[in-house]
Amino acid sequence: GAVVSQHPSRVICKSGTSVKIECRSLDFQATTMFWYRQFPKQSLMLMATSNEGSKATYEQGVEKDKFLINHASLTLSTLTVTSAHPEDSSFYICSASPSGRQETQYFGPGTRLLVL
Amino acid sequence: GNSVTQMEGPVTLSEEAFLTINCTYTATGYPSLFWYVQYPGEGLQLLLKATKADDKGSNKGFEATYRKETTSFHLEKGSVQVSDSAVYFCALHINTGTASKLTFGTGTRLQVTL
Repeated sequence: GAVVSQHPSRVICKSGTSVKIECRSLDFQATTMFWYRQFPKQSLMLMATSNEGSKATYEQGVEKDKFLINHASLTLSTLTVTSAHPEDSSFYICSASPSGRQETQYFGPGTRLLVL
Repeated sequence: GNSVTQMEGPVTLSEEAFLTINCTYTATGYPSLFWYVQYPGEGLQLLLKATKADDKGSNKGFEATYRKETTSFHLEKGSVQVSDSAVYFCALHINTGTASKLTFGTGTRLQVTL
């Protein structure tokens, strides 16, 4: 149990285009989902926290108009990188907390984004 | 604020060697502590956790003990295997009642050779 999927696993796009990444909790309901960014050989940087049905809370320094987050249901959150540029190339990882279990996060397998 | 400090890697060991990866933390409150493992090209998987002082988390031969007096949660394994090669992250969580954030260390890469 407690599986989180991400789609796509890998995406290559041209500079200036937008890319949407989906994060799904497959066998549990997730009130809260998190989006992280990981640079090569570095730790995870929390980008934002999203709660179902409300606006996401962004960490300091993360542009909310650049990284649009939607958490429309208890099993799906999406991250849209708008007008992507090469510096947005990174590994994006989502995680989901089961409803009522705040300290538990199940991580998705990650999405590698390459912007040309 | 909250922070997690891990020993810098990479750590290179021969198969069957003893492993220790140090982790210390600072926290404004009483945290739960975690070790996550990330295999190449994959997301993070919870390896083990401990929620109160003197608790020992264990899984797959790995173990770590929550030491409040030394604010540490060192990861150990008695005999590593090549399949243990991965990046290991120490993390803490404090239940604030609202947003639930994990604070991660920088990760320690482990390379196990034959």
